[in-house]
Amino acid sequence: QVQLQESGPGLMKPSETLSLTCTVSGGSISSYYWSWIRQPPGKGLEWIGYIYYSGSTSYNPSLKSRVTVSLDPSKNQLSLRLRSVTAADTAVYYCARGRDSGWFDFDYWGQGTLVTVSS
Amino acid sequence: DIQMTQSPSSLSASVGDRVTITCRASQSINNFLNWYQQKPGKAPKLLIYAASSLQSGVPSRFSGSGSGTDFTLTISSLQPEDFATYYCQQSYSTPPLTFGGGTKVEIK
Repeated sequence: QVQLQESGPGLMKPSETLSLTCTVSGGSISSYYWSWIRQPPGKGLEWIGYIYYSGSTSYNPSLKSRVTVSLDPSKNQLSLRLRSVTAADTAVYYCARGRDSGWFDFDYWGQGTLVTVSS
Repeated sequence: DIQMTQSPSSLSASVGDRVTITCRASQSINNFLNWYQQKPGKAPKLLIYAASSLQSGVPSRFSGSGSGTDFTLTISSLQPEDFATYYCQQSYSTPPLTFGGGTKVEIK
């Protein structure tokens, strides 16, 4: 059974850099797109970006200037870096597996980690 | 960006009711449309992919239809565990992948 587990700081200050890690267990990272998706409290879902197992990336244009997604196959981990955070970046952050099936659906998700940005 | 609009934003229904949720894309997305269910405090769960294909393990009372710009998610007989928020997601044009605003299904 594939499992994803996010980890990172719960509380941050404005202008800091958010770093999150997602550890994948029970399956290979090959042949999948690995995404980060966030959800502000009480609001909808926003796709942040993905990295394909080959290393190619794609980012939401609204966040592209501040985001880096990376993959460490040796550890079965993906990472998110979001620079210069503000209160608007307060959200639950999910990592999710995107299938390389043509329809880019997310079939496995982590449980999510809440990141609060506050001075 | 392709905008995804769901309607209604919320609805009240009773156990056993047939429920239909609509998702409209701002341009044609063929059948590149997925549906998710999210319960409070939990991650979304994939229900339907490619507009009408049932994800493995999802009960058959869930079905999806549509193509182009208009899509529907139908729950044929609402069960107590189906009270949740439902999201559509397009994967036709990326970046960015985009989600609808969600439809909350509540108990009448």
